[in-house]
Amino acid sequence: SQTIHQWPATLVQPVGSPLSLECTVEGTSNPNLYWYRQAAGRGLQLLFYSVGIGQISSEVPQNLSASRPQDRQFILSSKKLLLSDSGFYLCAWSVIPGAGETQYFGPGTRLLVL
Amino acid sequence: DAKTTQPPSMDCAEGRAANLPCNHSTISGNEYVYWYRQIHSQGPQYIIHGLKNNETNEMASLIITEDRKSSTLILPHATLRDTAVYYCIVRAPLNYGGSQGNLIFGKGTKLSVKP
Repeated sequence: SQTIHQWPATLVQPVGSPLSLECTVEGTSNPNLYWYRQAAGRGLQLLFYSVGIGQISSEVPQNLSASRPQDRQFILSSKKLLLSDSGFYLCAWSVIPGAGETQYFGPGTRLLVL
Repeated sequence: DAKTTQPPSMDCAEGRAANLPCNHSTISGNEYVYWYRQIHSQGPQYIIHGLKNNETNEMASLIITEDRKSSTLILPHATLRDTAVYYCIVRAPLNYGGSQGNLIFGKGTKLSVKP
């Protein structure tokens, strides 16, 4: 069966520090991968998605970036964190899209920027 | 913006069926109805999805009206662990012009299952 892992689970970082969040998927090949952010009390905002190694599409302009160095690895990064980067970061995967594509979410990383 | 409307909160007695409504009056012919739930501090969990026909799996049943303008998620025997925010989402598949990725989550329905 497929599983998705994210780490770290929680992170407290000072403003201006770098960030690296990792997401890995097991049990499937060539998945679509997604990064979402959920601010406190709000819905999910899609940040990036990837349909393959090295292929990244950005949904919103900001100081975050994403990379996909391996088929089942997705990394979210920042060179300098802002206070507004605080939130709950969720990675998701789906099979190659077709009718009724379903996304499955990881456990999330809670980031607090101070 | 979310294309769906859900009540902000609902209560349900443990062991009883929980019926969560969702209005999606502007749904297009190729858009599916998805249901996810999010238990506090966890990632969203996929529950079920459907296009036209009613669907059932081990977690829930999805009833879609004939005109597809509304649907109901049914948890047949709610337990305390079903307490969560339930999200109803409509989305077209990618091979029919759907937009990559973006599951647009609205505010959902906060379901409280009480003993």
